Amino acid sequence: KAGVTQTPRYLIKTRGQQVTLSCSPISGHRSVSWYQQTPGQGLQFLFEYFSETQRNKGNFPGRFSGRQFSNSRSEMNVSTLELGDSALYLCASSYGQGVGEQFFGPGTRLTVL
Amino acid sequence: SQQGEEDPQALSIQEGENATMNCSYKTSINNLQWYRQNSGRGLVHLILIRSNEREKHSGRLRVTLDTSKKSSSLLITASRAADTASYFCATDYDYKLSFGAGTTVTVRA
Repeated sequence: KAGVTQTPRYLIKTRGQQVTLSCSPISGHRSVSWYQQTPGQGLQFLFEYFSETQRNKGNFPGRFSGRQFSNSRSEMNVSTLELGDSALYLCASSYGQGVGEQFFGPGTRLTVL
Repeated sequence: SQQGEEDPQALSIQEGENATMNCSYKTSINNLQWYRQNSGRGLVHLILIRSNEREKHSGRLRVTLDTSKKSSSLLITASRAADTASYFCATDYDYKLSFGAGTTVTVRA
């Protein structure tokens, strides 16, 4: 079974631009979560989707948004990028309705200049 | 803000020694999980312990959970160079995982 895939793996943007990151979960997994990892703040939860519904959202500004499609693939969007948005963005999927064991993708490294 | 705190922040041991790291958390949980991360890559799930369990083993890993103290420990026995990584505890509540800051473990050959 293929693992969680994230595209692109690396991205360089400038302040004020917007970016869309994509995540394909493991086949059969219906829950997708997104996390931001930075040296200063560590791993922080962004949002979680199950069957196209957002069930929880972390403490991030409205510039961060996401969605999940009927095939469970998910995207997250960050608008009006700031320097502080530079981070590793990790996507994770799991099978059931609870969070349970998460299977993480390799991440997208976003650099904002 | 992070739910959990790991202790110590960093650990350096000789190959073959045991490594112990601790995690404390603040709120109620459904379960507690431990993950490993190598050099800024994706996280790998190690073990999950439910809130009604006290101890769990998986290979060279032993995890304990004390819900009255809101704490957990991860023991890696007979460490190997390949165990060099950052280890994170994560608490599961309300459809999200809250991670601690992590313990960086270096295993010297």
